[in-house]
Amino acid sequence: EADIYQTPRYLVIGTGKKITLECSQTMGHDKMYWYQQDPGMELHLIHYSYGVNSTEKGDLSSESTVSRIRTEHFPLTLESARPSHTSQYLCASRGNTGELFFGEGSRLTVL
Amino acid sequence: GNSVTQMEGPVTLSEEAFLTINCTYTATGYPSLFWYVQYPGEGLQLLLKATKADDKGSNKGFEATYRKETTSFHLEKGSVQVSDSAVYFCALSDNTNAGKSTFGDGTTLTVKP
Repeated sequence: EADIYQTPRYLVIGTGKKITLECSQTMGHDKMYWYQQDPGMELHLIHYSYGVNSTEKGDLSSESTVSRIRTEHFPLTLESARPSHTSQYLCASRGNTGELFFGEGSRLTVL
Repeated sequence: GNSVTQMEGPVTLSEEAFLTINCTYTATGYPSLFWYVQYPGEGLQLLLKATKADDKGSNKGFEATYRKETTSFHLEKGSVQVSDSAVYFCALSDNTNAGKSTFGDGTTLTVKP
């Protein structure tokens, strides 16, 4: 069983609101990732982290930001949500042989 | 850069049919290879993996062999069940410091009774 958790699972908000998607893992993994998954099911890497105080932008440009103050916690923030941000967001951490452990996802709808 | 190409879907099979989902990759160095499965409304979960050439990963009746000469990692199952209906992703991990994974576009499998 993977020990990685995302909250909220579902969120419906209005345009202009600030939101934070939470991601926590209890496996002590250094490397963590945020993916955006579109309706066509493709996964796009939007942020990653090597460890505490290390964050990098991913392959897909995103207006979101992330922080990594503690090993187990990797939250994603949108300062002003727009309808174009409507998507599923998946958080993952990396195990020792390269496998990823995913949370169940946060499905965001911006009206 | 790295890339993963997997068979386009959707794939529809009858229960107990044989399944193959093709996956080929391009990478520098010696990546590890993975298959992930995503059931409706859930995140991805690891199905199987292979970390070096000629390794065979297996789990829940699914198998895939790391073929370096053909840069392939095809997923197979001898007899699919309705419960195997899901989206399947082939992926590689580049084993560099960033350890970023590259995913295929996903293949949707539907198994009918």
